[in-house]
Amino acid sequence: GAVVSQHPSWVICKSGTSVKIECRSLDFQATTMFWYRQFPKQSLMLMATSNEGSKATYEQGVEKDKFLINHASLTLSTLTVTSAHPEDSSFYICSALGLAERTDTQYFGPGTRLTVL
Amino acid sequence: KNQVEQSPQSLIILEGKNCTLQCNYTVSPFSNLRWYKQDTGRGPVSLTIMTFSENTKSNGRYTATLDADTKQSSLHITASQLSDSASYICVVSGSNAGNMLTFGGGTRLMVKP
Repeated sequence: GAVVSQHPSWVICKSGTSVKIECRSLDFQATTMFWYRQFPKQSLMLMATSNEGSKATYEQGVEKDKFLINHASLTLSTLTVTSAHPEDSSFYICSALGLAERTDTQYFGPGTRLTVL
Repeated sequence: KNQVEQSPQSLIILEGKNCTLQCNYTVSPFSNLRWYKQDTGRGPVSLTIMTFSENTKSNGRYTATLDADTKQSSLHITASQLSDSASYICVVSGSNAGNMLTFGGGTRLMVKP
C-alpha cells in the first residue's frame, strides 16, 4: 500500500515551452501533497505544499507563477513548469501525506527527470 | 534553525562488510525521524520510522537507532550487498503545523564487489 506514482518519469523539452508533471496517490487519499526539486548530488528541496481544494503554499524563492500547482482531487496533484529554461532542468519529486504506524508519513513518488534544451 | 547533519558524506565499502551512517539533528520540537534509501534517479523509499520513545528499529539488514537526548541517530547496514549502493537520507519531522520535514544532505554509499 501507499504507492505514489509520477508521470512522466522523464521529459525533454525546448526552452520556452511548458511541461506538466502528474503526481498520483494510487491506493490512498491525500489531502496534502508536496513538490520537491533535487539537483545532482544534493538533497531534496521543498518547493511547495499542495492542499486539495485550496491554493498551494510556496517556499521562499520559488516563483508561484512559474511553477503552477493544481491539487484538483484527493489523489492527483499536478506541477506545471511554465516557460521552462535550461536552469529548470532538475529531478522533480512529489510526495503524498499518508499514515504509517499511526504517524503522518510522506510517501514519495519515483521522480520526474526534466531536461530543458 | 532546524538542521539535520549527516556523516560521512560518502562511503565506499566492500560487499559483505557492515557500515554505520550517522545523523545529528537540531529539530525542535521533535516528532519523528526517518531513514530513506534513494537509488540514483528514483524517489526516496522509507526504511524506518522512529518516534521519540523508540531507540532502535530494524528492517531486514537495516537497523536504526535513536538517542533523543543527544539528538543523534544511526543507520547500521549489515552484510552489505551491491544493491545497497544508494544515497541514504535522514529526515526529521517536527511536531509543528504542516508536517514539514528537515532533510539531511544524505550519505552516498557505494558497495564494491
